Amino acid sequence: DGGITQSPKYLFRKEGQNVTLSCEQNLNHDAMYWYRQDPGQGLRLIYYSQIVNDFQKGDIAEGYSVSREKKESFPLTVTSAQKNPTAFYLCASSLQGVRAYNEQFFGPGTRLTVL
Amino acid sequence: AQSVTQLDSHVSVSEGTPVLLRCNYSSSYSPSLFWYVQHPNKGLQLLLKYTSAATLVKGINGFEAEFKKSETSFHLTKPSAHMSDAAEYFCVVTRGGGSNYKLTFGKGTLLTVNP
Repeated sequence: DGGITQSPKYLFRKEGQNVTLSCEQNLNHDAMYWYRQDPGQGLRLIYYSQIVNDFQKGDIAEGYSVSREKKESFPLTVTSAQKNPTAFYLCASSLQGVRAYNEQFFGPGTRLTVL
Repeated sequence: AQSVTQLDSHVSVSEGTPVLLRCNYSSSYSPSLFWYVQHPNKGLQLLLKYTSAATLVKGINGFEAEFKKSETSFHLTKPSAHMSDAAEYFCVVTRGGGSNYKLTFGKGTLLTVNP
């Protein structure tokens, strides 16, 4: 089955610790994205990558870091500099090109709780 | 610049009655528009998309939406609600043509279906 996997589903961490969220896709998509979801606020873009070894900040990148060493993988690290990291994190991917119409496919999400 | 407003944060209907979820958008360019659905603690699933072809768009599970440029609206409808439709729905706008990465999400409408 083609799709996007995120792990773990639930993650608990102590305040001040860095934590890395995994995102893998086997859709052969060029672009990948990380979003943060908080109740009543919709989705906000953290980082995105349109090609391997390149990524760009989204609207709320402070306190987060990413890497894109492989086309299939786009891990997100939530650092201790992120002031309010408790949230639901969603990874997505999409084709690039004129016919893609920017449709994004989403993973099942990781719920991060900082204690 | 682009933005999207979902006019109701919560809609409650009875099973078997029509569903209307309202969305207005603003875009400096010819937009692409999407509706996504999210069940609790799950990722987002695409319901339907408008990409400058037919203005009445049919999606999965009996949903449809009509693009009205004069009203800058893209309301989501379904003739008869089912209990399984209970979820959160997001209206999304992006620049048409597939060349722009960025999706702009509405804040969501929670649909409750009463037996």
